[in-house]
Amino acid sequence: DTEVTQTPKHLVMGMTNKKSLKCEQHMGHRAMYWYKQKAKKPPELMFVYSYEKLSINESVPSRFSPECPNSSLLNLHLHALQPEDSALYLCASSPSLYRDRGRAIYFGEGSWLTVV
Amino acid sequence: KNEVEQSPQNLTAQEGEFITINCSYSVGISALHWLQQHPGGGIVSLFMLSSGKKKHGRLIATINIQEKHSSLHITASHPRDSAVYICAVLLRGQGGSEKLVFGKGTKLTVNP
Repeated sequence: DTEVTQTPKHLVMGMTNKKSLKCEQHMGHRAMYWYKQKAKKPPELMFVYSYEKLSINESVPSRFSPECPNSSLLNLHLHALQPEDSALYLCASSPSLYRDRGRAIYFGEGSWLTVV
Repeated sequence: KNEVEQSPQNLTAQEGEFITINCSYSVGISALHWLQQHPGGGIVSLFMLSSGKKKHGRLIATINIQEKHSSLHITASHPRDSAVYICAVLLRGQGGSEKLVFGKGTKLTVNP
């Protein structure tokens, strides 16, 4: 199983809603990532989890709240978003953050988020 | 200046043509990825390189560490190769960790 599964594939939410994006992998990877991608732009790193602990937060606004409940799951909780937050949110995983553990990276299909 | 530069930004080819996409980077890296993204959104890792050359089917990737340059070649291109191809480099960080930095991508369209 070399899949990273993201749900939902599409999400439309109002600016006062609370919703969550979910990501799951069963490859035993210990590093998981959230990226945000706007149209015609490369992905931008948001958060990195290493061994279920938040390792990198790229100065992301607090209306985005990541959670890693176990080594297979990564959530992104969304609250009070703005229309400019509409984007494709990509989850990825890799064996480890560290050089000695290999650097292959696997991406999910993404969740298309529209904030209205 | 972006740490990763790709060229061309857009590329249109006829089916069967040989295609080359280039990537240059300005910093020391641990490895380099070539990624493919179709309009549906999902990203697939095509190659991960730290030296030399790799081949998979009609795809060939090369890297020259001294020149800080990599190329992705597609032989006998096909309309299904139409996608955005992204070069991404792994930068060495503090404490042994690494961070992936993306180029802006090359949009390839292969016409039948």
